[in-house]
Amino acid sequence: QSVLTQPPSVSGAPGQRVTISCTGSSSNIGAGYDVHWYQQVPGAAPKLLIYVNNNRPSGVPDRFSGSKSGTSASLAITGLQAEDEADYYCQSYDRSLRGSRVFGTGTRVTVL
Amino acid sequence: EVQLLESGGGFVQPGGSLRLSCAASGFTFISYAMFWVRQAPGKGLEWVSSISAGDGSTYYADSVKGRFTISRDNSKSTLYLQMNTLRVEDTAIYYCVRESPSNRVGADYFDYWGQGTLVTVSS
Repeated sequence: QSVLTQPPSVSGAPGQRVTISCTGSSSNIGAGYDVHWYQQVPGAAPKLLIYVNNNRPSGVPDRFSGSKSGTSASLAITGLQAEDEADYYCQSYDRSLRGSRVFGTGTRVTVL
Repeated sequence: EVQLLESGGGFVQPGGSLRLSCAASGFTFISYAMFWVRQAPGKGLEWVSSISAGDGSTYYADSVKGRFTISRDNSKSTLYLQMNTLRVEDTAIYYCVRESPSNRVGADYFDYWGQGTLVTVSS
């Protein structure tokens, strides 16, 4: 039921930069709705990582950054660390589904 | 400290019912819209249902509409999800989630998540 598409996996060596794309449509990201990102370490609940496109909650390292353009958004992780190995989900609002919040398909980040 | 503590999960046969609860603390519960988000084993996140802070308006994903009912008791700072006519495909971890409010549609985001409660539907 995910309406936001992400790559299933991305990987990088420690210290490298990786990006995760989140592709939506004219009824969600393209309609101007904001994008938020969540990190889920295996076995744990998701945690807010980026809100309103490019804002970090207190405690989130500045290695994480977000951007949005058109019908897509991206999450970048610079200076990749072993602790960044997790699943990442984008999320937005979709006006075609009343009250609905939509999630991305999820991306597993592997640190080589 | 904001805390969301789910309970009520368990094993149930197809067609059965369960009631999930989420006890909230550390914030003014009545002021926040609350959500249930689920995650099937090895799968991604799926919005299930939500209830607004003000008039208590409720919303449901098509996959659960007519079977699940979300409610809240503001006097007890507790969120509920009544799940009826359960199906095998409802098997998932169910998370109770708080949404941080915004004055702009679509700018709201999930700022706190509970640890989740597992619901298993199987014969």
